[in-house]
Amino acid sequence: DAGITQSPRHKVTETGTPVTLRCHQTENHRYMYWYRQDPGHGLRLIHYSYGVKDTDKGEVSDGYSVSRSKTEDFLLTLESATSSQTSVYFCAITSPGETQYFGPGTRLLVL
Amino acid sequence: GDSVTQMEGPVTLSEEAFLTINCTYTATGYPSLFWYVQYPGEGLQLLLKATKADDKGSNKGFEATYRKETTSFHLEKGSVQVSDSAVYFCALTSNTNAGKSTFGDGTTLTVKP
Repeated sequence: DAGITQSPRHKVTETGTPVTLRCHQTENHRYMYWYRQDPGHGLRLIHYSYGVKDTDKGEVSDGYSVSRSKTEDFLLTLESATSSQTSVYFCAITSPGETQYFGPGTRLLVL
Repeated sequence: GDSVTQMEGPVTLSEEAFLTINCTYTATGYPSLFWYVQYPGEGLQLLLKATKADDKGSNKGFEATYRKETTSFHLEKGSVQVSDSAVYFCALTSNTNAGKSTFGDGTTLTVKP
């Protein structure tokens, strides 16, 4: 298994609070991604990173920010959580054109 | 932009039945094609892949052939088992697009004994 972990695995929070999810890899991959998975929508890309301090937006980036200060860590922040951000969040790592390796996911419930 | 369309589910089969899940794609250039599988409560994991036209990916009895002329990558298995029950995602990755992948919406397969 690829060395990729996510924390926390489960989170319950209230509307309006900030939330930070962490993705940690031990594979030294340059590219890291954050997706959300919702019924009927498959996987949608939130943000991605192509190197330390190099990030870009995906298709559903509104309300989210990311940071990557080290190769191994990619943080996703919900600046002010809303109920529409209740979802399962997956981190993935890859090399260009290659297989994506996914973390186990974080289940987030925003009340 | 790139897109992946896969067969809508859910799909319910009896054990030992033949499985086909259709997948077609639109992409610029020459993408790599993937099938991922997701078991309940877990992340996606690679099932098989093909990196160029006419390549056949295979794993655990599943197969898919990269058909450039029909822009398709259909997943097949000759005899499904209860343990194959999962969600299956077709995806493509272009090596000219920061390694980003485009995923289909997923097809839920349930195999009954």
